Amino acid sequence: KQEVTQIPAALSVPEGENLVLNCSFTDSAIYNLQWFRQDPGKGLTSLLLIQSSQREQTSGRLNASLDKSSGRSTLYIAASQPGDSATYLCAVFNNAGNMLTFGGGTRLMVKP
Amino acid sequence: ETGVTQTPRHLVMGMTNKKSLKCEQHLGHNAMYWYKQSAKKPLELMFVYSLEERVENNSVPSRFSPECPNSSHLFLHLHTLQPEDSALYLCASSQDSGLPYSGANVLTFGAGSRLTVL
Repeated sequence: KQEVTQIPAALSVPEGENLVLNCSFTDSAIYNLQWFRQDPGKGLTSLLLIQSSQREQTSGRLNASLDKSSGRSTLYIAASQPGDSATYLCAVFNNAGNMLTFGGGTRLMVKP
Repeated sequence: ETGVTQTPRHLVMGMTNKKSLKCEQHLGHNAMYWYKQSAKKPLELMFVYSLEERVENNSVPSRFSPECPNSSHLFLHLHTLQPEDSALYLCASSQDSGLPYSGANVLTFGAGSRLTVL
């Protein structure tokens, strides 16, 4: 059974800092890995998707890396802003494409 | 039957057709979701129902119309679709604790309905 763990569970940083969120998964047989953002009371917004054959994806100030063999992914946020405050979730899709397993999320607070 | 069941597994329809996708969950969950998985694009959340009420509508065109008659069933009614709507439509369910995906909140997905719009 796939298990996804995110560390830290919560993070508070001052505005402008670069930060790294970590995600680990136990079963490396994945189809893809996605990073999502969730704002309070809202659904998920997909941030980045990394196919199992890829090593990283970038979008604006976000960069996600994937090391499938070690079961790890990181989300790097450059020059954090208060608007980045949200819960960030990592999720892996299994090879059969029918199970998306989420980590517990990292609650990020960026202080002005 | 266990888990999340989606029917039909494959659907081919013309742009003027009306069809429906069905999802049924046997897990006793209280939240159900429709996702769209296009080729080489991230999974897109379409609709969320919690306790049979729609709580999320992610700017989905009106040609997609969801229906949740009870906590075990979810439908996606399709009308005058476009070829770009061709995708894998995934249904999922979860036990919504009211917290934002805390702990090991795993969405259980159905196998999907592969839709092709001609």
